[in-house]
Formats: sequence, structure tokens, C-alpha cells
Amino acid sequence: EVQLLESGGGLVQPGGSLRLSCTASGFTFSTYAMSWVRQAPGKGLEWVSSINAGGTNIKYPDSVKGRFTISRDDSKNTLYLQMNSLGAEDTAVYYCARDRGFGWYFDLWGRGTLVTVSS
Amino acid sequence: QSALTQPASVSGSPGQSITISCTGTSSDVGNYNLVSWYQQHPGKAPKLIISEVSKRPSGISYRFSGSKSDNTASLTISGVQGEDEADYYCCSYAGSTTHVVFGGGTKLTVL
Repeated sequence: EVQLLESGGGLVQPGGSLRLSCTASGFTFSTYAMSWVRQAPGKGLEWVSSINAGGTNIKYPDSVKGRFTISRDDSKNTLYLQMNSLGAEDTAVYYCARDRGFGWYFDLWGRGTLVTVSS
Repeated sequence: QSALTQPASVSGSPGQSITISCTGTSSDVGNYNLVSWYQQHPGKAPKLIISEVSKRPSGISYRFSGSKSDNTASLTISGVQGEDEADYYCCSYAGSTTHVVFGGGTKLTVL
């Protein structure tokens, strides 16, 4: 079955760090760009980061640039998001998504993992 | 404030057609035929329903269609059904710097 499964979410204190993982199955992970998209409680979708196939091109919005790092391990079919200096504004469900064309559209989504930043 | 502007809510009776607009700028919607639409039911992950302005992925009902004129994209649902009640988000590629922008989302209520 073609699917994405996120993990690593949880409760973290302000200023803390967390690493999210997204394990892919059912397709050739290494040939696809991948992205993270988040959704704060009761709010809309916000693009967080993208990495192309091969990992040579990476993008972030200003809201997370310098704090978040996206990476991938094609040998493990896994996408990562390292999140540092977390603040309350980063509280959200984080979705992993398969990215067609590197930013063109997202055709496969995981179920998401909840990150809560609170003291 | 989201980069793309959508109405907060729309409603329609079963069988009616509804249209959701998505207004951007000449740097995103107006410059690329790379607008996509996503349907999200409560507590669920988003689902791609339209890619590249008007392409329907396999398995998506013909009742969903997309179009674009200048800086505004539109999603039309023909013959709205109860199962269509959900949140809908537009998204556009926005070039190598901004990369991707989403709309704020539109809640569809089926009366």
C-alpha cells in the first residue's frame, strides 16, 4: 500500500527541539520530492519545508528558516524535520506529503503528527 | 494572513453547484498553471482533488473541476452532495523564492 506515516510529535517546552520522521512505503521514495505542511489547531494549512529528490534543493518559508531543517535518508525511505527554538506558534499537526514537481502539488499525505509547544 | 485569498465559507443545497474562488497575485496564481486544490474532512489529512489548475487525479469525482483566470483560480463542485461537506484549500507554486503558498481555506456547508 502506498502510504506515509509520521512520528515523533509530542509535547515540548518553549525553546526546545523535536525531530519528526516520515516513513514512506509502496513507492520509490528516492525519486520523489517531499514536503512538510502544518496546520495549527482550527487554522489553515501552512507549507513548512520541501526537499527535492536527491536532497540538493531545499526550501523554507521565513517563518521557520534558520530553526527547522529538512532532510531525507533514501536508504531508510524516511523524511525528517528537525525543529529547534520552538515557540507556541509552532503548535500544529505536521503532515508529510509527497511533492510532485517540487512545489507543484502534493498528491499523497500522511495522517499527521501533533506537536504541542507549551510549558 | 494567508497568501491566497479564499472565502471563509460557502454553502449549497444538495444537487446545486458551488464555486470557491482563490485569489493570488501575478507572482503565484497568475504566473503559473500550478494551482492545486485539497479537500479536508474534520480530523483527516488533506486530499488532493485538483492539480495543475484543472487536472483530476484518478478516483476523484467528475463533479470536481478547476479553472483559472488571471490571478484567480476557482474550484467548482457540480451537484453538491452531503459527503462534500468539508474544508477546501487552494495552493499555488510561487517561484523559486517563495516556493509554495496556500489559501486560508473555505468551509463548505451542504444545507
